[in-house]
Amino acid sequence: GIQVEQSPPDLILQEGANSTLRCNFSDSVNNLQWFHQNPWGQLINLFYIPSGTKQNGRLSATTVATERYSLLYISSSQTTDSGVYFCAVGRGSGNTGKLIFGQGTTLQVKP
Amino acid sequence: DADVTQTPRNRITKTGKRIMLECSQTKGHDRMYWYRQDPGLGLRLIYYSFDVKDINKGEISDGYSVSRQAQAKFSLSLESAIPNQTALYFCATGTGGAGNQPQHFGDGTRLSIL
Repeated sequence: GIQVEQSPPDLILQEGANSTLRCNFSDSVNNLQWFHQNPWGQLINLFYIPSGTKQNGRLSATTVATERYSLLYISSSQTTDSGVYFCAVGRGSGNTGKLIFGQGTTLQVKP
Repeated sequence: DADVTQTPRNRITKTGKRIMLECSQTKGHDRMYWYRQDPGLGLRLIYYSFDVKDINKGEISDGYSVSRQAQAKFSLSLESAIPNQTALYFCATGTGGAGNQPQHFGDGTRLSIL
């Protein structure tokens, strides 16, 4: 099956700093989502981005499907950005829609 | 109201008990999924359903069963709970069609088995 690797596994930032999180996947996909898991465990859907670039406020994401990676950019980080960021991918084979998750990047933003 | 609602939000129970986690959705999606998250790990798929009569095992279905009572309701059962089933459980919905579409997740059920 598809392997999903996220890097770095842990990241500590000072408030106001920028960061880039990476997601590599081992096969072609037609679904890629980025999630933020907050301290209460809720999964917040940040981007649905199987290809291309999207921006939402201080966050943006780029997926280069042909090279099998996606990047999540966080600019001017805030303490509320702390939590775990997950990349999840899905393949079209059989069109089951099921997602395969990476292990996550744990982000801590210090005031 | 949330689009995907999970009940209960938290549950503590004892080894050997039967547990049911419930999920309902108002998004009108045909597909529903149950995932499990262990501490420090990503989510793994337990079961998924395309409609009321189409239920499929995921990668970690042993020890679990599901029921799709209606398009909007998908329940996960642990027939005889064991401590290593302690985890955070998520329900998700999605659409079918020609291309994949984003999945929508509930807020999770935190299950502890003593």
